[in-house]
Amino acid sequence: DTGVSQDPRHKITKRGQNVTFRCDPISEHNRLYWYRQTLGQGPEFLTYFQNEAQLEKSRLLSDRFSAERPKGSFSTLEIQRTEQGDSAMYLCASSYPQTSSHEQYFGPGTRLTVT
Amino acid sequence: RKEVEQDPGPFNVPEGATVAFNCTYSNSASQSFFWYRQDCRKEPKLLMSVYSSGNEDGRFTAQLNRASQYISLLIRDSKLSDSATYLCVVNMLTNAGKSTFGDGTTLTVKP
Repeated sequence: DTGVSQDPRHKITKRGQNVTFRCDPISEHNRLYWYRQTLGQGPEFLTYFQNEAQLEKSRLLSDRFSAERPKGSFSTLEIQRTEQGDSAMYLCASSYPQTSSHEQYFGPGTRLTVT
Repeated sequence: RKEVEQDPGPFNVPEGATVAFNCTYSNSASQSFFWYRQDCRKEPKLLMSVYSSGNEDGRFTAQLNRASQYISLLIRDSKLSDSATYLCVVNMLTNAGKSTFGDGTTLTVKP
């Protein structure tokens, strides 16, 4: 399967713990995006990378959130000192902007539950 | 006010019906527009891009009205398999940087 993959698919953690999620984009895609989605809402933009450079970060992203893409391939999203309000589906997407459709390909997501 | 607004529905229609969804966006500098489809508990997938001249893909027609800042999606001869949430997406840049998603419109097609 050459699509976007995310790991883990589910994570249950206690409030105050740190969690880290991984995203592996489609190999030739140089753009990678992180979104958060809660029930009944559309995906909410968190941040995106072009290669290893983080080009934009949502102002909604608190200092507890950090994302990296050190070699321009896979990316990690870390949430420190988790809160119950962090419970959501975290979606990763990748794209190859030179294509005319600018389509973003999404991974299956990591569902985070903070207890 | 949200940057991208959609009627959440739900829209419940019989098979074969024609259904239309609208979406409005607040930023007049928006450059590119899309409809994504999201099935229950699945990731979003691109349905179609939306061009100023309007575009059609089989039973699906998308229209863009820049003056009024709205986008529409028309589904003709709806199928059971069309049941999903339809997300309107707006980008500021033509090369697709940050995407702003609406909260989606839920469609249920019934036999």
